[in-house]
Amino acid sequence: DAGVIQSPRHEVTEMGQEVTLRCKPISGHDYLFWYRQTMMRGLELLIYFNNNVPIDDSGMPEDRFSAKMPNASFSTLKIQPSEPRDSAVYFCASGLSGTGETQYFGPGTRLLVL
Amino acid sequence: DQQVKQNSPSLSVQEGRISILNCDYTNSMFDYFLWYKKYPAEGPTFLISISSIKDKNEDGRFTVFLNKSAKHLSLHIVPSQPGDSAVYFCAVTQGAQKLVFGQGTRLTINP
Repeated sequence: DAGVIQSPRHEVTEMGQEVTLRCKPISGHDYLFWYRQTMMRGLELLIYFNNNVPIDDSGMPEDRFSAKMPNASFSTLKIQPSEPRDSAVYFCASGLSGTGETQYFGPGTRLLVL
Repeated sequence: DQQVKQNSPSLSVQEGRISILNCDYTNSMFDYFLWYKKYPAEGPTFLISISSIKDKNEDGRFTVFLNKSAKHLSLHIVPSQPGDSAVYFCAVTQGAQKLVFGQGTRLTINP
């Protein structure tokens, strides 16, 4: 199993640009999560999906952030327009119902907004 | 308002000795507790978990202890090995898939 796949691994962009982060969950998993890790706030949940439906987006910082899951094998997190304070590592994770709350994380996307 | 606290940002232990990482939480309704391990430039990796109906769970060198009255969780690693050097996060949840993570403790195992 390839595990959770994220792309790109690194992204450098200028303030005001649109950024799209991509995630492919583990095949067969029905939960997908987007997290952000910063020095100040640690690892925080932004949004999660169950069976491609957004369940809780209370962690999404503001309207500049949006996430979609058009099918079971793909999700995107978009920031438009990006700001320097969005610089962080963004993780995608997936999980499977009935296996407890164990989540499997991707390697992350390191985003730097100049 | 931190619901999960790891008060030690770092810990240094000699190889072969026991490493003890601690975690405190505020909400007695949390019912599932996990530890994750993270190496640089990688995502967190699930290590071990425990439900609120237990007070101990063991998996090889790793044991998690839960003290519900004190709202305290600990991870014991024995014996500690150089490959255990990483950042360890505790996480909690309440009847759902939504995890709340602590700030992490950086463990360094010295040869």
